[in-house]
Amino acid sequence: DAGITQSPRHKVTETGTPVTLRCHQTENHRYMYWYRQDPGHGLRLIHYSYGVKDTDKGEVSDGYSVSRSKTEDFLLTLESATSSQTSVYFCAISEPGTGVGDTQYFGPGTRLTVL
Amino acid sequence: QKEVEQNSGPLSVPEGAIASLNCTYSDRVSQSFFWYRQYSGKSPELIMSIYSNGDKEDGRFTAQLNKASQYVSLLIRDSQPSDSATYLCAVNKLGGGSYIPTFGRGTSLIVHP
Repeated sequence: DAGITQSPRHKVTETGTPVTLRCHQTENHRYMYWYRQDPGHGLRLIHYSYGVKDTDKGEVSDGYSVSRSKTEDFLLTLESATSSQTSVYFCAISEPGTGVGDTQYFGPGTRLTVL
Repeated sequence: QKEVEQNSGPLSVPEGAIASLNCTYSDRVSQSFFWYRQYSGKSPELIMSIYSNGDKEDGRFTAQLNKASQYVSLLIRDSQPSDSATYLCAVNKLGGGSYIPTFGRGTSLIVHP
């Protein structure tokens, strides 16, 4: 299994509180991604990173920010959580442009509930 | 219209049959194509990747790509109950110097004994 961990694995928080989710990889892959998965919507890209301090927005970036200060860590922050951000969040890594390296490897997911 | 379209299903097939899963994409600059399997409560895992037109076979799985029709499919031969899962189609394209992945909503497959 690809060395990807996410923390926390489960979190319950209240509306208006800040939340940070962490993704950690041991594969030294250049690209890291944050997705959310909701019934009926599939996987939607929130933000991605193509290197240290290099990040860009995905399809559903409003209300989220990210940071990547080290190759191995990619943080997703909800500055002020809302109930609409209740979801399962997946981190993924890849090394695209290398054929087989285009494959994304996913972390175990974080289930976030915003009350 | 979503960039990557899949029939949400569920697709129900008897054990031993061929399951056919389909996916269409809208952006012609898409470069690489993937099928992921996701069991309930688990994270997606790669089943097949395909980069050029034609068929690619791996065991019971065959991926088919037709770039002219913007269509990619996954065939599962001799379907087993353990194949019951959601299958996600994903497409990578190069945009602004970065590889940007887009997923379909997934097709739920049920293989009944």
